[in-house]
Amino acid sequence: GAVVSQHPSRVICKSGTSVKIECRSLDFQATTMFWYRQFPKQSLMLMATSNEGSKATYEQGVEKDKFLINHASLTLSTLTVTSAHPEDSSFYICSANAGNTGELFFGEGSRLTVL
Amino acid sequence: GQQVMQIPQYQHVQEGEDFTTYCNSSTTLSNIQWYKQRPGGHPVFLIQLVKSGEVKKQKRLTFQFGEAKKNSSLHITATQTTDVGTYFCVGNFNKFYFGSGTKLNVKP
Repeated sequence: GAVVSQHPSRVICKSGTSVKIECRSLDFQATTMFWYRQFPKQSLMLMATSNEGSKATYEQGVEKDKFLINHASLTLSTLTVTSAHPEDSSFYICSANAGNTGELFFGEGSRLTVL
Repeated sequence: GQQVMQIPQYQHVQEGEDFTTYCNSSTTLSNIQWYKQRPGGHPVFLIQLVKSGEVKKQKRLTFQFGEAKKNSSLHITATQTTDVGTYFCVGNFNKFYFGSGTKLNVKP
């Protein structure tokens, strides 16, 4: 199947700093990528839809100035958590469609811990 | 976002017993997908259902899509310890919304 790579897998940062997470489609082009957040023992919550060459579409309740998304190429989308606070600590995971099957391929996820 | 509800939240079964999880959407879906997530891992695609009333089988797994395309179910026959994980239905509204998930634990 298609491969989506996410980096870093784990990051620990101090409160007030910004953290960038990268999501790459390795063997296909992704015009759209989806960013999810998952708290422990909970489901994946869609944060935003990343669109190559245009602005991301954010879900209700997700602060676009807090979670900056850049999809500058067909194989790379980035999520920047700005001025991170402990409540932003979570598992962030990206995904993309490949081909026409509709199947979502997921990155390995990034576990963010804000101290 | 769109609401996709799943029950039960947890299910503990003895190995060999059957398991079913149910998914309901507040609105009609164009299609529905099912994923499995193991602890510490990312979701892995199982299947996609598109047609009203569709039934698909994968070995011991049976997936159904309701006639109104608002509900779906996943049934596992004779569970094995390798079935442990959380099963999510995902509603496609041109964006993909995850159901609340059902965590399956199988006791050997």
